[in-house]
Amino acid sequence: AQSVTQLGSHVSVSEGALVLLRCNYSSSVPPYLFWYVQYPNQGLQLLLKYTSAATLVKGINGFEAEFKKSETSFHLTKPSAHMSDAAEYFCAVSARNAGGTSYGKLTFGQGTILTVHP
Amino acid sequence: GAGVSQTPSNKVTEKGKYVELRCDPISGHTALYWYRQSLGQGPEFLIYFQGTGAADDSGLPNDRFFAVRPEGSVSTLKIQRTERGDSAVYLCASSLSRVDEKLFFGSGTQLSVL
Repeated sequence: AQSVTQLGSHVSVSEGALVLLRCNYSSSVPPYLFWYVQYPNQGLQLLLKYTSAATLVKGINGFEAEFKKSETSFHLTKPSAHMSDAAEYFCAVSARNAGGTSYGKLTFGQGTILTVHP
Repeated sequence: GAGVSQTPSNKVTEKGKYVELRCDPISGHTALYWYRQSLGQGPEFLIYFQGTGAADDSGLPNDRFFAVRPEGSVSTLKIQRTERGDSAVYLCASSLSRVDEKLFFGSGTQLSVL
């Protein structure tokens, strides 16, 4: 069984400040982990994914996340927030089929709404 | 089309009625997923199609929910005898292949059961 916990349903930062969105996971197999973003009135889109290669993963729009097995964490960061980063962010872990292949059956966290103040 | 298209964008129905929600995936994407997102929650998996067949329907909450993808492209999620608890945003996503976890999501159908 897999689960994802996002710490903080709302995060507020000033423009230019560091963005840190927290995600902890639980998985019985080595996980594949994802961050998706949902802008208002748009569908979710993939920011980045970790699939057991480099532990520091770079995504779109300057975001990155670091996989830390010892902490079972996959926190999302961005050095300097822009107003356009205001959105809801979801961390997710993927299932594996009987052959161990990952596919798009994802378990999502509850989401973190990021607000960016001028 | 350019993206995943879902229709209608909003559906209001009365308790006990039957509804159909449509998803038109990105052309050429063989895998199609339905998720449900309740207010304040993350999306929850319902069903996964690879081609025309349902490869994993373990997320369907009960037998009132059914989905089809007869020609391996457009999919329809069908809900019988709707209940107020079915109110949620129903999301459809597609991916290029069965082993590709990069999902492209539609904007969803907001279902309201009165």
